[in-house]
Amino acid sequence: EAGVTQSPTHLIKTRGQQATLRCSPISGHTSVYWYQQALGLGLQFLLWYDEGEERNRGNFPPRFSGRQFPNYSSELNVNALELEDSALYLCASSSGTGNSPLHFGNGTRLTVT
Amino acid sequence: GDSVTQMEGPVTLSEEAFLTINCTYTATGYPSLFWYVQYPGEGLQLLLKATKADDKGSNKGFEATYRKETTSFHLEKGSVQVSDSAVYFCALSGLSSGSARQLTFGSGTQLTVLP
Repeated sequence: EAGVTQSPTHLIKTRGQQATLRCSPISGHTSVYWYQQALGLGLQFLLWYDEGEERNRGNFPPRFSGRQFPNYSSELNVNALELEDSALYLCASSSGTGNSPLHFGNGTRLTVT
Repeated sequence: GDSVTQMEGPVTLSEEAFLTINCTYTATGYPSLFWYVQYPGEGLQLLLKATKADDKGSNKGFEATYRKETTSFHLEKGSVQVSDSAVYFCALSGLSSGSARQLTFGSGTQLTVLP
């Protein structure tokens, strides 16, 4: 089966611009999670979508937002980019049942200059 | 809230050495516990998991046992290989409101295995 796919692989933006990152979950998975992996800071939880609804968000400002589409794919938007938003953004999906594990994509490397 | 404390790295071992990466957690209820591995330039891959106390997860020669009494889930491998060089993350899936299925990660441990 195809894994979680993320696009683009790399994204370079300037401060103040907006970035849009995309994620396609594994077929049959209804939950999508976004994590930020900044250098030296580990993985920080950003957002969780399930069945098209935002279920939870981490401790990030409102300029980080997203949505989940009817086909369960998801988009993460970051507005008014700041230099410290430079990071690897990882998307994960799960079947949404019980203790089903998260399956991760290879990430989008966002660089803000 | 939920938290995971992981052994700080980096860890450097010779091939065939024994590996232990310590992981302890704080959570309400009975979380599920996971180890993920991240190879250079890639996303995270699930290495093993355990969903209840005393469960042992194992995969590719790696093992970890869910110890509720010590709130620990240490990762072990008897003989590491150069190909095991990666960053290892301990994680838990909490049961507190709103976070039933999201993961809380430790800070990661960089492992380098030398030939």
